[in-house]
Amino acid sequence: QKEVEQNSGPLSVPEGAIASLNCTYSDRGSQSFFWYRQYSGKSPELIMFIYSNGDKEDGRFTAQLNKASQYVSLLIRDSQPSDSATYLCAGNTGGFKTIFGAGTRLFVKA
Amino acid sequence: NAGVTQTPKFQVLKTGQSMTLQCAQDMNHNSMYWYRQDPGMGLRLIYYSASEGTTDKGEVPNGYNVSRLNKREFSLRLESAAPSQTSVYFCASSGAVGGANTGELFFGEGSRLTVL
Repeated sequence: QKEVEQNSGPLSVPEGAIASLNCTYSDRGSQSFFWYRQYSGKSPELIMFIYSNGDKEDGRFTAQLNKASQYVSLLIRDSQPSDSATYLCAGNTGGFKTIFGAGTRLFVKA
Repeated sequence: NAGVTQTPKFQVLKTGQSMTLQCAQDMNHNSMYWYRQDPGMGLRLIYYSASEGTTDKGEVPNGYNVSRLNKREFSLRLESAAPSQTSVYFCASSGAVGGANTGELFFGEGSRLTVL
């Protein structure tokens, strides 16, 4: 069973702090990784994707990938209350089956 | 620009009843998907359609059937609903940019199904 594992949280950080979300995956054939944000009662929306080892930055978000350790992370700088949501990590082996983790709930306290 | 549209948004069924969830996308995407989301389980792929005319099983296909009606539409049918199928169902689509599928999934708003 190919899996993507995340700590369910909740992760609570104060406003303005860095939130660090982590994810591990079991399938070494996974080639691309995605972070989706899902607000309560809403559908997931893509925050970032990453294919290569290292860091990828987009505004306040940085995705990190370490294929040797089978580890993906998402850093959110200057966290805002509007960042409070569930963050879903997902992996894809290059086909049509994207496997999702159960998600980490993030609370940003004002 | 509606993106991915699902109907109905809410449905209550009795055990053994049948129903069809409808999904349509207007982004000219080739691939479409049906996921279910349960508390603590994340999103699980039920069926997908890589392109018009093809469908394939995902992680949890038992109890479901699908039809790719045309490039825009992909429906999910429950022939004999069971309480274990109580869930939130999401339709999604993905497309190709410059010939390569980016892998990004665009989701509909979800359909909340309760089976009593």
